[in-house]
Amino acid sequence: GAGVSQTPSNKVTEKGKYVELRCDPISGHTALYWYRQSLGQGPEFLIYFQGTGAADDSGLPNDRFFAVRPEGSVSTLKIQRTERGDSAVYLCASSSGAGGPSEQYFGPGTRLTVT
Amino acid sequence: DQQVKQNSPSLSVQEGRISILNCDYTNSMFDYFLWYKKYPAEGPTFLISISSIKDKNEDGRFTVFLNKSAKHLSLHIVPSQPGDSAVYFCAASALTGANSKLTFGKGITLSVRP
Repeated sequence: GAGVSQTPSNKVTEKGKYVELRCDPISGHTALYWYRQSLGQGPEFLIYFQGTGAADDSGLPNDRFFAVRPEGSVSTLKIQRTERGDSAVYLCASSSGAGGPSEQYFGPGTRLTVT
Repeated sequence: DQQVKQNSPSLSVQEGRISILNCDYTNSMFDYFLWYKKYPAEGPTFLISISSIKDKNEDGRFTVFLNKSAKHLSLHIVPSQPGDSAVYFCAASALTGANSKLTFGKGITLSVRP
């Protein structure tokens, strides 16, 4: 079956602009996660959805970052007033569990470059 | 403050030999551990996991060992193959609560020489 998909695969934007990154999780997966991976680092947690609600947004770096999942499937990560430090690969993952010991399946990521 | 540490950034081994990738953690609340493999321009791919109630889990050529008292785990790949060349991430989560967000190490680049 289809895995996690993310669009666009690459996004170049100018400092100060607004961007949206999309994630399509594996069908039927109720849990959805966003991570950010900077160069030379491992993925860092941003936000977790269980269904439509953001159950944990403690990893969002500041209020320029926001994410939604209105119908409990597709999610959009939104970044306002982008800064050069936002440049990274943004990874989305989904899992079937409502928490607990289930592995997360990752998409290929969106590489965001802020110039 | 790195809660999951992969202190060796790279490892090179000969094809057919054993690869041992190490990982240490500091948060005693972690009780579920995973290894992910990542190729360039792809997302991480789940490899193997272990719960804290076990000290070993094996899947084919891959075995993960957990030493809770030392807060240390390792991934053994035997025999190593050139296709195993990738970046390997150790990740941990706490099963308590409904959120199993993962905390990752920085990764180890494994190169398997033919």
